[in-house]
Amino acid sequence: DGGITQSPKYLFRKEGQNVTLSCEQNLNHDAMYWYRQDPGQGLRLIYYSQIVNDFQKGDIAEGYSVSREKKESFPLTVTSAQKNPTAFYLCASARMGVDTEAFFGQGTRLTVV
Amino acid sequence: KNEVEQSPQNLTAQEGEFITINCSYSVGISALHWLQQHPGGGIVSLFMLSSGKKKHGRLIATINIQEKHSSLHITASHPRDSAVYICAVPTTGGGADGLTFGKGTHLIIQP
Repeated sequence: DGGITQSPKYLFRKEGQNVTLSCEQNLNHDAMYWYRQDPGQGLRLIYYSQIVNDFQKGDIAEGYSVSREKKESFPLTVTSAQKNPTAFYLCASARMGVDTEAFFGQGTRLTVV
Repeated sequence: KNEVEQSPQNLTAQEGEFITINCSYSVGISALHWLQQHPGGGIVSLFMLSSGKKKHGRLIATINIQEKHSSLHITASHPRDSAVYICAVPTTGGGADGLTFGKGTHLIIQP
């Protein structure tokens, strides 16, 4: 079955450590996205990539980095520069066309202590 | 950029009631998504629709493209329907730069 896999579902890290969240898709989608959710707020765009080896900052990119070396994979690194890293992170991918159809991972809940 | 408003923000109802959640957006779109998020955070995609109506079990989603409005209905609601329901639309018309999400409707169905 095609889909998006995010791992792990829950992640705990100590303050000051970088942490990388995994997102893999086997849908052959060109576009992939990372979003962040904080309590009481809508999901907000961190980074997105429309093609391999290229990506763009979203609304809240500070303190995060990404790479897109393969079409299937779009890992997100939460660096120590991110001041409030504890949040829910959601990965999505999309097939671009007349009806932009997006698929979503289950999400990763990151807690930094 | 698109802006999304969902209502109500919170909704508590009794088991069996008919539930309606509304979503309005500001810029014309190609498709709208309804998502469900349970406690613990996992996101499930319920519907993607670009016109008319879609039905899956007790869930019905409708969209009016001219009025830039969509509704999610739950018939014969059940406590297991308790979750946060989120609508999402392309940030810009083409959708290449991702989605804009509503803040969600927190639904509680009491037995």
